[in-house]
Amino acid sequence: ETLLTQSPGTLSLSPGERATLSCRASQAINSNYLAWYQQRPGQAPRLLIYAASTRAAGIPDRFSGSGTGTDFTLTVSRLEPEDFAQYYCQQYGISPQTFGQGTKVEMK
Amino acid sequence: QVQLRESGPGLVKPSETLSLTCNVSGYSMSRGYYWGWIRQSPGKGLEWIGNIYHSGPTYYNPSLRSRVTMSVDKSKNQFSMRLTSVTAADTAVYFCARGVYYAGSGSYHESWGRGTLVSVSS
Repeated sequence: ETLLTQSPGTLSLSPGERATLSCRASQAINSNYLAWYQQRPGQAPRLLIYAASTRAAGIPDRFSGSGTGTDFTLTVSRLEPEDFAQYYCQQYGISPQTFGQGTKVEMK
Repeated sequence: QVQLRESGPGLVKPSETLSLTCNVSGYSMSRGYYWGWIRQSPGKGLEWIGNIYHSGPTYYNPSLRSRVTMSVDKSKNQFSMRLTSVTAADTAVYFCARGVYYAGSGSYHESWGRGTLVSVSS
């Protein structure tokens, strides 16, 4: 199955700063079928981005996704207090779909 | 707006069968989308279990295919999952979700239930 490696494991930043999260796949993802989710403690994951760069409904434009092939990035342009959470990437281009192990964005 | 809610026992004994149901409100399952189960455990992170379409086609994670069965009850607008021969490794929070599926590959999950914790222990 396709392994997704997210880095860094933890990102310590302050509100207003820019967050850059990486997701690297063990093989090229078909059609850039890569999604990003945000998960706050005690809550379900929330879809942020699909098809590598398309924002889901209702997601603020400070969230953006990019990348192709094996390397993908989620950027949060200016962190709001509610953005401090766990983030996961997921590929759905190669069966079985798989998730990364997550990046925690914590407040410095 | 679609809402999903999982229900089922919070404790299952080893070697027994785990059964969960996801009740869907705010959207008729017969209109479309794929419906799936994902679990999350400290040891394995997020793991896709499988998807089902309202008319029946199912897609399972090969790692669980021999033990999992999914079904849809359109009259109740709900779908269910059964996982047989459970062990402690199946202890996890189980989420149901609505997905957009791409044939031959997989799905992303656009709406999720709140999740239900299932512990496997004697």
